[in-house]
Parts: sequence; C-alpha cells; structure tokens
Amino acid sequence: GAVVSQHPSWVICKSGTSVKIECRSLDFQATTMFWYRQFPKQSLMLMATSNEGSKATYEQGVEKDKFLINHASLTLSTLTVTSAHPEDSSFYICSAMGLAGGRISYNEQFFGPGTRLTVL
Amino acid sequence: GDSVTQMEGPVTLSEEAFLTINCTYTATGYPSLFWYVQYPGEGLQLLLKATKADDKGSNKGFEATYRKETTSFHLEKGSVQVSDSAVYFCALSRGEKLVFGKGTKLTVNP
Repeated sequence: GAVVSQHPSWVICKSGTSVKIECRSLDFQATTMFWYRQFPKQSLMLMATSNEGSKATYEQGVEKDKFLINHASLTLSTLTVTSAHPEDSSFYICSAMGLAGGRISYNEQFFGPGTRLTVL
Repeated sequence: GDSVTQMEGPVTLSEEAFLTINCTYTATGYPSLFWYVQYPGEGLQLLLKATKADDKGSNKGFEATYRKETTSFHLEKGSVQVSDSAVYFCALSRGEKLVFGKGTKLTVNP
C-alpha cells in the first residue's frame, strides 16, 4: 500500500514550548490529510481534516489556535502544538488520502506510525 | 452521534486457535465498516472492509460480515498465527471521516 511517515516518532518538551510534527506521504499525492489523537487504551479521536492549500477543518472541541495545522503541499502536512502543557501529552497520528487510482482506493486512508509527545 | 464499541482486550490465544473480536456500531443510515490492524511500531493498516449490509470483507484469513440487523461487524479467523499479534481497530465511516473503536490487543503464543 501507500506509505506515510511521521517525524519525529517521539518528542519530549518543556511546558510552554511549541512542538512541530511532520506527516509525509512518500509515494503518492495526498489531497487530504487527517490528524488524530490517541489516549492510552482509548480510540483514535479525529482532531482535524486538512486539504492541500486550504485551511484545516477542526472537530468540535479542538482548539485551532493551539493545534496549528498546515498542509502546504501534496506530500506534507504539519501539526504544531503551541505552548504545550502536560495535558497535551498524547500519541498523535496522521493519515493521508489520495486520488483513487492504481493501488489507492476511493476514500481509503493511509496511516503514519504516530508520534509520542510528552510535555514535562 | 456515531460510535463503535469493540470487545475489551487484551486477548491471548495459542497458535491455531479460533479468533473472534466483537464489534458493534451505532450510526444512522448505512455506514461503511472497517477493520484496521496495527503491528508494533507501525501505522494502522486496512485489514478488510464492507460497504453494505450482508457484505463480507476478507483478507489474510480474516473475515467480517456487515450485519445490519444486529449492527455488528465481528472479526474472525479460523487459525491464528504468532504473526497476527497486533492491535485491531474496528471503525465506521460515512464519507471521509472515520470513527474508531478503542482497539483490541491480540497476543498469539506459539
């Protein structure tokens, strides 16, 4: 299947600092990217949906000024956690969806391996 | 709103045992249903899917049938292998957005 990478795989930061997480589609063009958050023993919760070149659409309850999402190209989306606090510690997962064709099915999402964020 | 409930884990089985992971959903209309698998250190991968009632999704020996009457999509495999050890997520979608269950960790011992 199509490959999605995330960087870094884990990060530790101090409270009050900002952290940027990158999500890349390595072998296809991602028209839509999704950012999820996963708490221990909980399901993945969709945070926002982003389309290349336009503003992200945030789910209810997600602070858009705290979780800045940029989808500047068809292969890269970034999530920046601004002024991070310990309650932002979590596992962040991105996924990407491309145009149907070849090995990519309509509306199929391809997931990155996730980024573990720990805020001290 | 839409939701997915799957059986609590962890599940531990011996090799060649029969596997069932229960999944039920709550949704209006006719969502598509999915099972994703997450191997250690990797991203979620689509295992199988079904898009309408009575459809059976299958892949790598795993099967699940879309049961509208019981709003269920239980995952089954007749004979598990050590390599099947992973976390399994049931999910539904209408359109682009996915709604996930909490995941069930499966460990298969030799």
